[in-house]
Amino acid sequence: AQSVAQPEDQVNVAEGNPLTVKCTYSVSGNPYLFWYVQYPNRGLQFLLKYITGDNLVKGSYGFEAEFNKSQTSFHLKKPSALVSDSALYFCAVRGLNTGTASKLTFGTGTRLQVTL
Amino acid sequence: EAQVTQNPRYLITVTGKKLTVTCSQNMNHEYMSWYRQDPGLGLRQIYYSMNVEVTDKGDVPEGYKVSRKEKRNFPLILESPSPNQTSLYFCASSPGAGPGEGEKLFFGSGTQLSVL
Repeated sequence: AQSVAQPEDQVNVAEGNPLTVKCTYSVSGNPYLFWYVQYPNRGLQFLLKYITGDNLVKGSYGFEAEFNKSQTSFHLKKPSALVSDSALYFCAVRGLNTGTASKLTFGTGTRLQVTL
Repeated sequence: EAQVTQNPRYLITVTGKKLTVTCSQNMNHEYMSWYRQDPGLGLRQIYYSMNVEVTDKGDVPEGYKVSRKEKRNFPLILESPSPNQTSLYFCASSPGAGPGEGEKLFFGSGTQLSVL
């Protein structure tokens, strides 16, 4: 079975500082990895994805994520946080060798709080 | 505007009273899915559909039904709601075969359901 772990319920960072939101995964075979963001009272919005190719993936709003196969991680990063980045962030994985092609497994979410 | 529309946004009901949450997308997407979001559990997939008349169970299908008679609509039906189905529900759609092919999901704004 595939799984995703987001070990931090909340991450606090000051505006202007770099941020990292952690994600590790477990799948059979090579993964498809996604990050989504949820602002208050809104649905989830796609940020970025890793399918294949460069391990550093760039996405929306200045976010990027680094795929590390040996550590089975896909951490979300941003060089300089903004207060408007405060939201709930979800990591998700789809393993290529799962029995049902279209199941996507989400993590439990990490709340990012950026303060002035 | 391309969007996924869910109705209603908020719903309070009583145990055993059948209800339907509607979902419609205007992007001609083949793939549609329902998720529930619960604190500490993240998003869990209830059902998904690869195309018209093609539906399959997700991770937590018990107590739910879906149908896909038209490409744009994917209603979620609770025949006999129970308090443990109190949750925040999201509908999502995706082009092609969905996240299984690396496609991103487009989410609705959510339906907060309370079953008393």
